[in-house]
Amino acid sequence: QVQLVESGGGVVQPGGSLRLSCAASGFTFRSHGMHWVRQAAGKGLEWVAFIRLDGITKYYVDSVKGRFTISRDNSKNTLFLQMNSLRAEDTALYYCAILSGSVDGWGQGTLVTVSS
Amino acid sequence: QSVLTQPPSASGTPGQRVTISCSGSSSNIGRHYVYWYQQLPGTAPKLLIYRDNQRPSGVPDRFSGSKSGTSASLAISGLRSEDEADYYCGAWDDSLSGWVFGGGTKLTVL
Repeated sequence: QVQLVESGGGVVQPGGSLRLSCAASGFTFRSHGMHWVRQAAGKGLEWVAFIRLDGITKYYVDSVKGRFTISRDNSKNTLFLQMNSLRAEDTALYYCAILSGSVDGWGQGTLVTVSS
Repeated sequence: QSVLTQPPSASGTPGQRVTISCSGSSSNIGRHYVYWYQQLPGTAPKLLIYRDNQRPSGVPDRFSGSKSGTSASLAISGLRSEDEADYYCGAWDDSLSGWVFGGGTKLTVL
C-alpha cells in the first residue's frame, strides 16, 4: 500500500525558509519520478516541481524557479522541497505525489502559511 | 487561467451519466497521457484514470476516460451521491516543461 507522509510545514514570515519532507513507503521509491503539488485554500491544484527517479533532472513552475529546490534521497525513500524567499502567495497545502503511471500516490499534505 | 480547460461545474441526478471535458493543446494532451484525479471534500486527491483510459484497481467501472486529439473526457455513469467531488485532469506539457492541471470541475449530485 502506497504511503506518502509530508512534514515540515508551518508558519513563516515573508522572506523566510522552510524545508518540506515526504517519507515514502509501500512502493519502490527509486523507480518513480516524484512531484510536489500545492493547493491554496478553496483553489485548484497547482503543480510546483518534479524530480526524475535519478535525482538529477528537475523541473519547476516559473513562479518558484530560483527560490525552491526539489531533491530526493533514494537510500532513505524521502523527497524534499527546500523553499527559500517565501512569499504570501506560497501559502498553501503542499502535497508530494506520484502523478503519472498506475500508482495512486498522494500524501495528506503539509500546510505552509507565509504571514507576518 | 489554467493550461488545461475544464468546465467549473457539472451536475446530474442519481443514476444519470455525466461527462467532464478537458481541453488542451498539442504540447500536452496531444502528445502525452491524460490523468484524472478525484478530490472528495476535505481530502487529498486520488488517482481515478491513468494513461487516458485506464482505471486503477479499486476504481469502479462507472468511471471511464477517453481522449481524442487535444481533448479528453471523464465519464461517470450511474451517478451516486458519493461521486460529489472536485475532478481534475492533468498531463505533462512539453512547452512548459512541467505538469499542468485543469482548473477543476465541481460535480454536484442533485
